[in-house]
Amino acid sequence: GAVVSQHPSRVICKSGTSVKIECRSLDFQATTMFWYRQFPKQSLMLMATSNEGSKATYEQGVEKDKFLINHASLTLSTLTVTSAHPEDSSFYICSAERPGIGYGYTFGSGTRLTVV
Amino acid sequence: AQSVTQLGSHVSVSEGALVLLRCNYSSSVPPYLFWYVQYPNQGLQLLLKYTSAATLVKGINGFEAEFKKSETSFHLTKPSAHMSDAAEYFCAVSDDGATNKLIFGTGTLLAVQP
Repeated sequence: GAVVSQHPSRVICKSGTSVKIECRSLDFQATTMFWYRQFPKQSLMLMATSNEGSKATYEQGVEKDKFLINHASLTLSTLTVTSAHPEDSSFYICSAERPGIGYGYTFGSGTRLTVV
Repeated sequence: AQSVTQLGSHVSVSEGALVLLRCNYSSSVPPYLFWYVQYPNQGLQLLLKYTSAATLVKGINGFEAEFKKSETSFHLTKPSAHMSDAAEYFCAVSDDGATNKLIFGTGTLLAVQP
């Protein structure tokens, strides 16, 4: 149990276009999901906390208008990278919090974004 | 704010040898502590977590970690390394604010030599 599906696993897009990444909790409802960014050989940096039915909470330094987060249902959160540029190329990972389990996070398998 | 330090960005052991990955946290209040493993181009898998119960925590794949408050440490160990243990390992600590965020260390890449 406790599976989080992240799609797509890899995406290549042209500079200036937008890319949407989906994060789904398959067998539980997640009121809270998290989006991380990971640079090569570095740690995970939290970008934002996504709460179902409300606006996401962004970490300091993360551009809200560039990284649009929508958590429209208890099983789906999306991250849209708008007007992507090469510097946005990175590995993006989501995690979903399982209710009733203290700090019970399940991570998605990540999305490798390459902007050319 | 909470922080976590992982000493050694790269650790290399021989197959069958002891694995020791170090993690120290900064907090005056015992936090929740976690160890995750990441294989290339994949997400994170929870190995184990400390939530103020037993100080010696046993996880999956033969790993365990001991919470030592006096040393503010939560080192990860495994008695005998296997080739399949080669991966990136992250220590994480719960945020000490009013949120349920995790703060991750910089990671340790474990190599296992045959």
